[in-house]
Amino acid sequence: QAGLTQPPSVSKDLRQTATLTCAGNSNNVGYRGAAWLQRHQGHPPKLLSYRNNNRPSGVSERFSASRSGNTASLTITGLQPEDEADYYCSAWDRGLNAWVFGGGTKLTVL
Amino acid sequence: QVQLQESGPGLVKPSETLSLTCTVSDYSITNDYYWGWIRQPPGKGLEWIGSILHNGHTYYNPSLKSRVTISLDTSKNQFSLKLTSVTAADTALYHCVRDASSAPADYWGQGTLVTVSS
Repeated sequence: QAGLTQPPSVSKDLRQTATLTCAGNSNNVGYRGAAWLQRHQGHPPKLLSYRNNNRPSGVSERFSASRSGNTASLTITGLQPEDEADYYCSAWDRGLNAWVFGGGTKLTVL
Repeated sequence: QVQLQESGPGLVKPSETLSLTCTVSDYSITNDYYWGWIRQPPGKGLEWIGSILHNGHTYYNPSLKSRVTISLDTSKNQFSLKLTSVTAADTALYHCVRDASSAPADYWGQGTLVTVSS
């Protein structure tokens, strides 16, 4: 069951910019921000950012995250074929005392 | 580089208990960090199951809490998941993870598919 809301799919052209959104509430995204994960089929998810725009070592600067109120966003610039994947947002929910996820967005690079 | 590897039966009968173990390499589970489980049913999104700290403190997904137990075996650098009274809805790819506290997981096992079927 998804606690956060993500659009099911986004399609963008090669080398363009994609912005993925994640809507929550004041108990989760609005509380401590969101983390973003990328999943390629057949592989475990990869952490792209946490607490809105902290990138783990090795993650490309083409990935940047932000938050406005209770909505988090992930912007991917200069889209590459390898960016085609499923993207999930997640946030700690202080009301549930649990991590909640969005349903995921499938990004297609045309 | 932290490495995690899940192990356990790939097939569990309905109403029985699902049991998985995660072996952690190149990092002691007695250090900081929680250790947890996340699953993904076929064709669906990710679902956090729960996490445990080295002192045994646990927190669980409220929707699964009545059926879940996560425990540690520090002598083997392992942690385990037990999920009771399983149904077909528990069929999923189960990942063990390092819970980064600022993110649900920064290191992931490859995942193990568990099918609930008679």
